[in-house]
Amino acid sequence: GAGVSQSPSNKVTEKGKDVELRCDPISGHTALYWYRQRLGQGLEFLIYFQGNSAPDKSGLPSDRFSAERTGESVSTLTIQRTQQEDSAVYLCASRPGGGDNQPQHFGDGTRLSIL
Amino acid sequence: AQSVTQLDSHVSVSEGTPVLLRCNYSSSYSPSLFWYVQHPNKGLQLLLKYTSAATLVKGINGFEAEFKKSETSFHLTKPSAHMSDAAEYFCVVSDLTGGANNLFFGTGTRLTVIP
Repeated sequence: GAGVSQSPSNKVTEKGKDVELRCDPISGHTALYWYRQRLGQGLEFLIYFQGNSAPDKSGLPSDRFSAERTGESVSTLTIQRTQQEDSAVYLCASRPGGGDNQPQHFGDGTRLSIL
Repeated sequence: AQSVTQLDSHVSVSEGTPVLLRCNYSSSYSPSLFWYVQHPNKGLQLLLKYTSAATLVKGINGFEAEFKKSETSFHLTKPSAHMSDAAEYFCVVSDLTGGANNLFFGTGTRLTVIP
């Protein structure tokens, strides 16, 4: 069946430009997460959406980062005025609900390179 | 407070020998626990999960993990390593006391398999 889909798979852009990353979760999954993974590092939580509740934005590193989600479907992560330290893989995951026993399903990520 | 500690950042084993990847957690609630594997340029794939049923959990690719409440551990094992097991492994704890984002990731263990 269809898994979590992220696009683009790779993005190279110049410092100072804005970028938009897209995540299509598994249909019916109400929970959606964004993570950042720097080279050779673990996952850094960015933002969490659960149904129609207010998102948990506590992991966003600066006001240059924002994310939206349309209902319980697609989400976009936007980075404004990109900096070189934004270079990383951005991973999206979805989950059937907010319960603690449900595993996440991950996309393959968007590899962002800032020149 | 919830946390996950993966005790080894790197583990190296010879092909055909046992694998042990260590994970300790802290949680004020009865948690769910997960192990994920990440191959290069890929997202995270679920290996197995513990959700308060049997304490010995079997996963994909011959991996298993044992939940030991007295030791607050959830170590991942495999009797015989295969070259294709070389990857990054993440231990994750999930519990309902963590607020909106109730998932906590370890920093990962890189497994190298020597031919």
